[in-house]
Amino acid sequence: KQEVTQIPAALSVPEGENLVLNCSFTDSAIYNLQWFRQDPGKGLTSLLLIQSSQREQTSGRLNASLDKSSGRSTLYIAASQPGDSATYLCAVPLSGSARQLTFGSGTQLTVLP
Amino acid sequence: NAGVMQNPRHLVRRRGQEARLRCSPMKGHSHVYWYRQLPEEGLKFMVYLQKENIIDESGMPKERFSAEFPKEGPSILRIQQVVRGDSAAYFCASSEQGSGNTIYFGEGSWLTVV
Repeated sequence: KQEVTQIPAALSVPEGENLVLNCSFTDSAIYNLQWFRQDPGKGLTSLLLIQSSQREQTSGRLNASLDKSSGRSTLYIAASQPGDSATYLCAVPLSGSARQLTFGSGTQLTVLP
Repeated sequence: NAGVMQNPRHLVRRRGQEARLRCSPMKGHSHVYWYRQLPEEGLKFMVYLQKENIIDESGMPKERFSAEFPKEGPSILRIQQVVRGDSAAYFCASSEQGSGNTIYFGEGSWLTVV
């Protein structure tokens, strides 16, 4: 059974700071890993998808890395802005299935102006 | 290109009533998924469907819950005889055919059972 853990559960930083969010998973036999953002009362916005064959993906100020062997992924946010405040979720397909995603409980990020 | 469309966004039902949640996937997407987010809990997979087929319903409660994705029209998540514990946000997601594709989520349907 796949379990996904995200640390820290909550993070508060001043504007402009670079930060790293962590995600770990117990079963390294994954097809890919996806990072999402969720704003309060809203749905999930896909940020980055890393295939199992990739080490990292970049989109703007976001960079996600994947280390399958250690069961870890990080989401790096450069030059954080108040608009980045949200809950960040990582998700991996359930072992043996490329479809069913197992989500972490998320990191609630607050960027202070 | 519209994203995943869900309606209603908010639904209030009395205990014992039925709730129907609808989801239209992104254009060109043939795979639909339903997830539930209970208060103070993470997202949990419920069911995975393709047109006219349920592929994986391992996350669906055994009773009162059903899902369909007909040949024409949106996917429907149906909850019969709702109870207070069904109060949650229900998210629909879709993807293109084939594994490894990005899964896109809708804005969710918030069900409150009173």
